[in-house]
Amino acid sequence: QVQLQESGPGLVKPSQTLSLTCTVSGGSISSGSYYWSWIRQPAGKGLEWIGRIYTSGSTNYNPSLKSRVTISVDTSKNQFSLKLSSVTAADTAVYYCARDPGHILTGYPEYYFDYWGQGTLVTVSS
Amino acid sequence: QSALTQPASVSGSPGQSITISCTGTSSDVGGYNYVSWYQQHPGKAPKLMIYDVSNRPSGVSNRFSGSKSGNTASLTISGLQAEDEADYYCSSYTNSNTHVVFGGGTKLTVL
Repeated sequence: QVQLQESGPGLVKPSQTLSLTCTVSGGSISSGSYYWSWIRQPAGKGLEWIGRIYTSGSTNYNPSLKSRVTISVDTSKNQFSLKLSSVTAADTAVYYCARDPGHILTGYPEYYFDYWGQGTLVTVSS
Repeated sequence: QSALTQPASVSGSPGQSITISCTGTSSDVGGYNYVSWYQQHPGKAPKLMIYDVSNRPSGVSNRFSGSKSGNTASLTISGLQAEDEADYYCSSYTNSNTHVVFGGGTKLTVL
């Protein structure tokens, strides 16, 4: 059974960089056609897709955050990471990591998320 | 403002059926069969309930079904149970650079 677990600081100061890691267990992060995403949810609000990384290392980002986001993967640790720079209070949210299974034949994304981490609250405050 | 439009709330009594709508455009819901639905209980991560418009993952009750007509997708829950009370989000591929868009969520209350 695949499991995802987010980790990182729960409090970040304004203008600094938010850094989170998602550790994948129960399977290899680099096997299959998986796409690994970050999704966030401000308190009482809806979900926002931040971006994703493919097992090859290629990335796609939400244009609204693209200038501030970097997603990377460390296959040796079975982890992928999120960095969000120049944070403000508007970046306060629960951050989830999630898996898109990818199409087994084409390798293209399936555009749904079958496994999610439990989520981690990141608060931006001085 | 979310890219996909959902009603803020719906309600139903145990045993009844309810439908949650998710309206987009031809650039997302209407143009592709990449619509998915998620159930989220308070303080929990979203759980995949429907993918590719109408497919159920293994382990999801057949009381949950999905469909699409034009630019609007729908999630129907039949035989409502108390445990179905949760927030529900739709999601779709979009041919814009955003790639993935979500609805604003619908709070389901089981009366």
